[in-house]
Amino acid sequence: DIQMTQSPSSLSASVGDRVTITCRASQSISSYLNWYQQKPGKAPKLLIYAASSLQSGVPSRFSGSGSGTDFTLTISSLQPEDFATYYCQQSYSTPPTFGQGTRLEIK
Amino acid sequence: EVQLVESGGGLVQPGGSLRLSCAASGFTFSSYSMNWVRQAPGKGLEWVSYISSSSSTIYYADSVKGRFTISRDNAKNSLYLQMNSLRAEDTAVYYCARDDYDSSGYFPYWGQGTLVTVSS
Repeated sequence: DIQMTQSPSSLSASVGDRVTITCRASQSISSYLNWYQQKPGKAPKLLIYAASSLQSGVPSRFSGSGSGTDFTLTISSLQPEDFATYYCQQSYSTPPTFGQGTRLEIK
Repeated sequence: EVQLVESGGGLVQPGGSLRLSCAASGFTFSSYSMNWVRQAPGKGLEWVSYISSSSSTIYYADSVKGRFTISRDNAKNSLYLQMNSLRAEDTAVYYCARDDYDSSGYFPYWGQGTLVTVSS
């Protein structure tokens, strides 16, 4: 199975900050990398698919980049509603696997 | 509007069985592959199982292989997960999730989840 490792595991930031979360795959996954946001008690929400494609309805302050083994999710200017947990997920091979999550907290 | 609604969760003793259902609406269910993804309390996301649109291809996570069975009824727009020989470590919220397109491997649509608790 492909292992996905996110860093950091948690992050404190302020409204308006630019934030970057990193995801590393244990082997090359081309651009088969997706990002989700999850708020407490809610289902995950797809933000980015295929490494850099913005899911419909997702604000443009979210962006993704990378290919191969190293990927980033960037939030250009944090908004109050962005404080949540973020997960990366590879769709290169079965089983699809998720990173352990990055909890984004208010500073 | 795509809607996925899970049901069937609850409290079950170790070794017991439970059948989860996911009712789909707002899209042509028979055209899309479906998945179950779970999340243990306070933990991350774990993919559990996949079924293709025609049920011809099925995959399971190693952690549930031989104990869980995924199925679907396209006439009823429903997805199922039969869970047998349940263990404490199967305690989780179980989500059904639709692929973006057949076998895309990523999930733009999720249900609200149903909680399964395995405890004596």
